[in-house]
Amino acid sequence: EDQVTQSPEALRLQEGESSSLNCSYTVSGLRGLFWYRQDPGKGPEFLFTLYSAGEEKEKERLKATLTKKESFLHITAPKPEDSATYLCAVQAFKYNQGGKLIFGQGTELSVKP
Amino acid sequence: DADVTQTPRNRITKTGKRIMLECSQTKGHDRMYWYRQDPGLGLQLIYYSFDVKDINKGEISDGYSVSRQAQAKFSLSLESAIPNQTALYFCATSDYRANQPQHFGDGTRLSIL
Repeated sequence: EDQVTQSPEALRLQEGESSSLNCSYTVSGLRGLFWYRQDPGKGPEFLFTLYSAGEEKEKERLKATLTKKESFLHITAPKPEDSATYLCAVQAFKYNQGGKLIFGQGTELSVKP
Repeated sequence: DADVTQTPRNRITKTGKRIMLECSQTKGHDRMYWYRQDPGLGLQLIYYSFDVKDINKGEISDGYSVSRQAQAKFSLSLESAIPNQTALYFCATSDYRANQPQHFGDGTRLSIL
């Protein structure tokens, strides 16, 4: 069964304290892995797409990496404005012309000043 | 203006009522999706459409129906609402290419009493 598991469920950091969020997945034929940020009362906002093991993408204090079984979202020197829920989703080749995303349950990140 | 607009943003209604949630987009995307989000669960796909003449069921389509009125409009209906359909509902769009990210609206918070 295709599955995406994110850990931890919640993470509290002090401003400047770097850490990583994990997204473990089991899916045959990965087409792509997507990271989103979701603020309260808002829809998910697209951050990154990773397509193959070894790939890395960066945006400001965020860096996403991908292996054959998991992805990490590294947050370097976080600021309070990085507080949000971070969602991971995978897409598999086997689903009808792509499109279908399987989401993890998210990691709620809180960064205190 | 938002690229993906959902109306209404909030709705409270009673069991048995028919409800329609609407989504319109200005991104020019062919593909549109409806998801629901429940606390502690990942986003779950209800229906998706690759173009005006193509509608597909997602993981949890029972109790829901959709209509793709135009390339830019995709509506979700609950024919006879029940309390366990209380959730956050999101519309998303994506480019016609299979591995492109989905872009989300800000959601409709639906409460069924």
